[in-house]
Amino acid sequence: NAGVMQNPRHLVRRRGQEARLRCSPMKGHSHVYWYRQLPEEGLKFMVYLQKENIIDESGMPKERFSAEFPKEGPSILRIQQVVRGDSAAYFCASSPPPRMNTEAFFGQGTRLTVV
Amino acid sequence: GDSVTQMEGPVTLSEEAFLTINCTYTATGYPSLFWYVQYPGEGLQLLLKATKADDKGSNKGFEATYRKETTSFHLEKGSVQVSDSAVYFCALSEPNSGGSNYKLTFGKGTLLTVNP
Repeated sequence: NAGVMQNPRHLVRRRGQEARLRCSPMKGHSHVYWYRQLPEEGLKFMVYLQKENIIDESGMPKERFSAEFPKEGPSILRIQQVVRGDSAAYFCASSPPPRMNTEAFFGQGTRLTVV
Repeated sequence: GDSVTQMEGPVTLSEEAFLTINCTYTATGYPSLFWYVQYPGEGLQLLLKATKADDKGSNKGFEATYRKETTSFHLEKGSVQVSDSAVYFCALSEPNSGGSNYKLTFGKGTLLTVNP
């Protein structure tokens, strides 16, 4: 059973370009979470999605960031008009429907560098 | 809001040394507590967890006890190996109104290097 797959592993974008990060959850998991790790910081929750639904986006920046999890295909985290401050590691996790203490499984992360 | 503070790294030990990585937390309710490990080039893996006060989580020789009175969840291992070299993250989650606790709050991580 393949784990959570994120691609690309490394992404370089120039300021003003768009970054698209993809996350394929573990087989059988219908819930996806995105976290961001800025340099010298811990992981910070961004958004929680089910198929075709955003459940909690309380950690998403108000502008330029969006996330989706379509009925078919991977979850996508999109960052428009990237700036240097967006450089970070972005981690995706997936789980079955979360109840008390459901474990989420993490991917290897995408390291975004904005130049 | 919730927060997790863990020991600044990096930590460098010799093989078979005793390991402690301190972790304290601030939470409004009754959180579950976790230690995650990230080996080089890999994603985060759950190492152990504890869901209520005085619980002890253990796995692969690592232990941590949920101490409500000191709001701590320190990670310990009696004899580390080179293969334990990794980044260790302390984390907590609190149940929401729906009864699930999907949102994790992480510490900054502690890099452990074990030398032969």
